Amino acid sequence: EIVLTQSPTTLSLSPGERATLSCRTSQSVSSSLAWFQQKPGQAPRLLIYNTSNRATGIPARFSGSGSGTDFTLTISSLEPEDFAVYYCQHRSSWPPSWTFGQGTKVEIK
Amino acid sequence: QVQLVESGGGVVQPGTSLRLSCAASGFTFSSFGFHWVRQPPGKGLQWVALISSDGNDKYYADSVKGRFATSRDNSKNTLYLQMSSLRPEDTAIYYCARRIGDYWGQGTLVTVSS
Repeated sequence: EIVLTQSPTTLSLSPGERATLSCRTSQSVSSSLAWFQQKPGQAPRLLIYNTSNRATGIPARFSGSGSGTDFTLTISSLEPEDFAVYYCQHRSSWPPSWTFGQGTKVEIK
Repeated sequence: QVQLVESGGGVVQPGTSLRLSCAASGFTFSSFGFHWVRQPPGKGLQWVALISSDGNDKYYADSVKGRFATSRDNSKNTLYLQMSSLRPEDTAIYYCARRIGDYWGQGTLVTVSS
């Protein structure tokens, strides 16, 4: 079973700053890595799929990169609405399943 | 617009059963596989199950295998999660999500407690 480890657990930043979130997988996952945003009381929202593709309607300040076992979500300039918890996710092709990281909370400094 | 609406959650005793539903609208339901994902209170996301577009293929997390069963009725645009032998550790918000996770329901809370 592939394990996803996110760092840091909490990121304290101010609006306008750059956020860099990391996700490391226990074995190579090729490009099958996605990122979700979740705000309190809401369902997760897909931001990035297949490492670097923005989902429909996602602002350009969100970008994903990486390959193999190391992946990054970058928010170029934090907006007030970006303070939330972010999860990385691997989609396994066989057996089909999803695995999530434990989450990174981006909080206002 | 695409909508997924879960229902059926509630408070149940350990060892009992519960069936969740996820009603879909705004797209061709029968063309998509769906996942169930749960989130214990204050914790992270856990994948539960996947069902294929035609309902013939189903996959489960080890933690629910043999106790949970997912199904679908493409004529009713509805997805189901039958949960049996419920345990306190099954307490969570349960979400349905479309194939790649591009759409999610709002979730329904299941509480297993005596």
